[in-house]
Amino acid sequence: QKEVEQNSGPLSVPEGAIASLNCTYSDRGSQSFFWYRQYSGKSPELIMSIYSNGDKEDGRFTAQLNKASQYVSLLIRDSQPSDSATYLCAVNPWGRGNNRLAFGKGNQVVVIP
Amino acid sequence: GAVVSQHPSWVICKSGTSVKIECRSLDFQATTMFWYRQFPKQSLMLMATSNEGSKATYEQGVEKDKFLINHASLTLSTLTVTSAHPEDSSFYICSASQPGLSGNTIYFGEGSWLTVV
Repeated sequence: QKEVEQNSGPLSVPEGAIASLNCTYSDRGSQSFFWYRQYSGKSPELIMSIYSNGDKEDGRFTAQLNKASQYVSLLIRDSQPSDSATYLCAVNPWGRGNNRLAFGKGNQVVVIP
Repeated sequence: GAVVSQHPSWVICKSGTSVKIECRSLDFQATTMFWYRQFPKQSLMLMATSNEGSKATYEQGVEKDKFLINHASLTLSTLTVTSAHPEDSSFYICSASQPGLSGNTIYFGEGSWLTVV
């Protein structure tokens, strides 16, 4: 089993709708969770970090963490064409040091005007 | 917010030559930096962990003699691709860890496109 899995294929959403992305992880001891946005040809940009169970909201973005179920999700409200990008889920597995991240393969989001 | 800067943004070199890429943390000290490689439409692949003042830790399958990493200060790590070949053409990205109250947050540099001709 991969450390971080993002299984859904490209996600197309109409402008103004909610985009929902899911991510599961294998290491139950993981402590830190991140969502990065990567535009084509650019490096990843940190969108959200979450460390405790529940929801964390930042603008149009909401991260949800459920450690018991080992998943973390990202909601993008009022999706805009500029949100079209690949979204990477990253987890800091326990025992890997406080800095190392395991990445999912990413989910491509396409917002249709 | 934290800023990690990479230079150069893109570089073209001839096969057999060496290329150096710099990664700097601009407003915080980073004892650990990371180097990734990303091929088109693929995810990030961790190449090595750069440790200030000590040898880098390489991931399995990454040639340490080919990808030289130096972390001479708390704000600078360099990756040198030696004897570059066309198959080394890729997007190289560094990251650095900024300590925080809740945990460390990883920030990425802008990335460096390497094309070997």
